[in-house]
Amino acid sequence: GIQVEQSPPDLILQEGANSTLRCNFSDSVNNLQWFHQNPWGQLINLFYIPSGTKQNGRLSATTVATERYSLLYISSSQTTDSGVYFCAGDQGAQKLVFGQGTRLTINP
Amino acid sequence: EPEVTQTPSHQVTQMGQEVILRCVPISNHLYFYWYRQILGQKVEFLVSFYNNEISEKSEIFDDQFSVERPDGSNFTLKIRSTKLEDSAMYFCASGRDLQETQYFGPGTRLLVL
Repeated sequence: GIQVEQSPPDLILQEGANSTLRCNFSDSVNNLQWFHQNPWGQLINLFYIPSGTKQNGRLSATTVATERYSLLYISSSQTTDSGVYFCAGDQGAQKLVFGQGTRLTINP
Repeated sequence: EPEVTQTPSHQVTQMGQEVILRCVPISNHLYFYWYRQILGQKVEFLVSFYNNEISEKSEIFDDQFSVERPDGSNFTLKIRSTKLEDSAMYFCASGRDLQETQYFGPGTRLLVL
């Protein structure tokens, strides 16, 4: 099965900073999603982005499918952005394979 | 906006007991999933379900696990005889189609003592 690698594993920033999180896949994927896991453990959908670029407020994501990676950008970070960010992909087998996550801490 | 719901939010059980975790997927979705996350680890796929049968399952999903869609709205995960290592957050997810977003519920935190 595919392997999903996320970097960096941990990121600590001051409020207002920008950040880039990366997700690499060992093979091509049909589906790709980014999630934010909040302090209560809930997985919040951020993007469904198997290819191309999408933006939602201060967040945007870009997937370069041919090179098997995706990037999540967070601009003007707020303390509420803290948590763990996961990317996950599947190859049409109906099972998302998750990365280990990037733990983002935004300090006031 | 429609969302996936799960009950209970927390469950504590004794080793060897049976537990049933319940999910109500989004109403027009056809694909249903269970995932789990052991504390501090990544989320792992357990099983996918379509057209009233299992379409894919992981090595974790052994004979102690079963899934059921008992009516038109609920989707359940049963663990027949819980072990300590079954302690985890269990997420239900649903999707309208294979090439679309999987929407996750808020999770059930299971603690086996």
